[in-house]
Parts: sequence; C-alpha cells; structure tokens
Amino acid sequence: SQELEQSPQSLIVQEGKNLTINCTSSKTLYGLYWYKQKYGEGLIFLMMLQKGGEEKSHEKITAKLDEKKQQSSLHITASQPSHAGIYLCGADIIDDYKLSFGAGTTVTVRA
Amino acid sequence: SAVISQKPSRDICQRGTSLTIQCQVDSQVTMMFWYRQQPGQSLTLIATANQGSEATYESGFVIDKFPISRPNLTFSTLTVSNMSPEDSSIYLCSVRGFLEGYNEQFFGPGTRLTVL
Repeated sequence: SQELEQSPQSLIVQEGKNLTINCTSSKTLYGLYWYKQKYGEGLIFLMMLQKGGEEKSHEKITAKLDEKKQQSSLHITASQPSHAGIYLCGADIIDDYKLSFGAGTTVTVRA
Repeated sequence: SAVISQKPSRDICQRGTSLTIQCQVDSQVTMMFWYRQQPGQSLTLIATANQGSEATYESGFVIDKFPISRPNLTFSTLTVSNMSPEDSSIYLCSVRGFLEGYNEQFFGPGTRLTVL
C-alpha cells in the first residue's frame, strides 16, 4: 500500500471553479512537497511545507500542512486551463531525505 | 530554483542493449537521486548517487542493472543495462541539499525510454 494516500485520483473542473487535492499519511511527516507534472515530462516544484499548521501560496495555488503534520491539501482558486496536469505529493516520511510519493491526481480543466 | 538538464530527453532502444542517462545541475548539491516512473504510475526511487562512493540502491534495484556514477557535486549518470521492454519508463534525476542552504528538492525534465 502507498505510504501517502492522495485523493481524488482524478477530477474534472469547469474553468473558473476551485478545486482541492488531499494528501494523507498515517505517520508524522518531516516535510511535504507538492509537484505538478505534464504528461510524460518532469516534475515542476510547487511548494514545500515543513512546519505543522504551515500554509503557503503562490499565485492561485495554496498548500497547507495540518498541525499534526500528517495531512496536506492543495487548493487552486479560479482554475484555468494552465492548471491542468498531474499533481503529486511527496514527503519525507522518515528523516532520510528520500521522498515517497502519492499516486497522483489528474486534473482536467474544461473551458 | 535549480536548473537541471538530462540527456537524452528520450530514446528508443533495442532489447539487450544499454543506455546511459546524464544529469547536470547548475549548482553544487549534496544529494542526487534517480527515480523511475513507469507508465501510469507514480515515482519510485532507484538509488541515491553518492559522490566518490558507490550508490545506495533501494530494494528491488541492483548495481549490475542500474550502475550509477557521480564524479562531482553537479553531475551524475544512470545506466540502464541489458534492457527489456519492462524497463520502458521515464527516468528522472532529482537533487537536494544545495550548498547555498535551501532544502527544496527539484527534478530534471526526465528521460523517456522505450525498449522494443
């Protein structure tokens, strides 16, 4: 089983609507990373969260890490076609600097 | 952020041959990793490339199949040896531990390998 559970597996949103992706672990995380991937390409770094309760925003994307450092959410406001892609959460589950990854969430934005 | 380049970006290879993938970073980093992403799957860590010593392999991956070199703090290679169609994947170089101090982990653009 995956050490990181990502949900939903996929979602389709109308352009202009908001969306939220969740990433959950049964263990306390040392660090949580969000990436975006276009099909067949490399990963684009979005944000890194390390402290319980931390929240970061960049343009229309906000990521939060809960106080217990076991769950993170990625929220996109007023989605655009450029937000389409696969979103992956990665985490330091043990303190060895090796990221484990969730299964990914495929986002489709319909005009 | 770091600029990471990988060569080749894609290749189609015959069964039984080998391919070496290069990864170059524009900053010195303490940690370099190689990941594999099989079609429709998430990322799996192959190994950590250690400068000046043998790479550290994850369970299920061995040096004979995936030899790795790391001659300095900005460059690494991964060889996929004696390839079979099951090796068809995207191979991604990743870096972390910048000497400038920040701790983000970045990925290269990937090498898309198809084995016939």
